[in-house]
Amino acid sequence: AQSVTQLDSQVPVFEEAPVELRCNYSSSVSVYLFWYVQYPNQGLQLLLKYLSGSTLVKGINGFEAEFNKSQTSFHLRKPSVHISDTAEYFCAVTPWNNAGNMLTFGGGTRLMVKP
Amino acid sequence: EAQVTQNPRYLITVTGKKLTVTCSQNMNHEYMSWYRQDPGLGLRQIYYSMNVEVTDKGDVPEGYKVSRKEKRNFPLILESPSPNQTSLYFCASSTGSNSPLHFGNGTRLTVT
Repeated sequence: AQSVTQLDSQVPVFEEAPVELRCNYSSSVSVYLFWYVQYPNQGLQLLLKYLSGSTLVKGINGFEAEFNKSQTSFHLRKPSVHISDTAEYFCAVTPWNNAGNMLTFGGGTRLMVKP
Repeated sequence: EAQVTQNPRYLITVTGKKLTVTCSQNMNHEYMSWYRQDPGLGLRQIYYSMNVEVTDKGDVPEGYKVSRKEKRNFPLILESPSPNQTSLYFCASSTGSNSPLHFGNGTRLTVT
């Protein structure tokens, strides 16, 4: 079984400041990792994913994440946030041999960008 | 436009009154699933379907039923809703295992 911990439930930050949203996971097998974003009153959208290869993954809207296998982490970063980045962000994992797309989600981090 | 459509967006009902939340996708995806979202718990999978007539339980299937008679539709059925099923529900689809999910806009269900 897998579990995902998002260490911060809320992250307030000023516009144009850098931000890091933390994600740690546990799993007995290798996993694929995802970050999804949820804007108010909408479903989730894929931000980026790590399947294999380079551990630094770039996504949409200027976000990137780094997979660290030894620390079992997949933190999301952006060097300069905008008001429009205000949303809830979810980290998710699925085992590499998964047959049912059994994504396990973290509890979410609400990013609040202030002017 | 490629999309996953859920209906209704909002639903208020009473304990024990059967209800169905519909989900339809126009991307010819084989895989579909239902999640519920609760504060602090993220999303938890209720049921999923790998293809027509193939469904299986997720993490929290109790109190729910699904069917997959056609590729595009995957309704979620609550035979006897209870207040602990008050939640925000999402339908999602993808091309297969480990592929990114496409989500609907959600259905907010309140059971009194």
